[in-house]
Amino acid sequence: DTGVSQNPRHKITKRGQNVTFRCDPISEHNRLYWYRQTLGQGPEFLTYFQNEAQLEKSRLLSDRFSAERPKGSFSTLEIQRTEQGDSAMYLCASSRQGVTGELFFGEGSRLTVL
Amino acid sequence: AQSVTQPDIHITVSEGASLELRCNYSYGATPYLFWYVQSPGQGLQLLLKYFSGDTLVQGIKGFEAEFKRSQSSFNLRKPSVHWSDAAEYFCAVAPYNNNDMRFGAGTRLTVKP
Repeated sequence: DTGVSQNPRHKITKRGQNVTFRCDPISEHNRLYWYRQTLGQGPEFLTYFQNEAQLEKSRLLSDRFSAERPKGSFSTLEIQRTEQGDSAMYLCASSRQGVTGELFFGEGSRLTVL
Repeated sequence: AQSVTQPDIHITVSEGASLELRCNYSYGATPYLFWYVQSPGQGLQLLLKYFSGDTLVQGIKGFEAEFKRSQSSFNLRKPSVHWSDAAEYFCAVAPYNNNDMRFGAGTRLTVKP
């Protein structure tokens, strides 16, 4: 069990640029989640996958946000045309289907938009 | 809609003292309740969870929490705090299929020597 891995750990970008974050979940976990955490707040649910299927995406913050999990393993979260308000920590978590609530989180990817 | 309130933004306790972190939830039915801890530079880690049954649940690192339906609360406790417990603590609520876990804003715990 190598844990959930996220890359990059920190990304600094200029407003208007696109950014992509990658998440490698624990290998035997078929569920993968993306959350956003801003300063002084708890994680905010964005989207989740069961295997390669994206089962919930209505909570993505805008159409500039998209996520994929093409082969049911790693996932990417892309933010297009970044805005300063996108600056936050983006967290990935994984779990086994049927094990409610026991999410294993990565250390997060911090985005700074200048 | 489900929501979680953690009334205390920051709590300071002395090492060896007891600890209670408050959590109140709003949900249409009995939810699944959780406490997570986030240490600096580390991912969130599950401390304990409540689904049903005994309303006092034990977790890792000596923590426990009590579910009180009448008060819509799920407070976290520890009888004797250690310096390594300094961290951010999050209460969370989720429906059965956990795809929409809602977190509180967190309580930052500082431990004085």
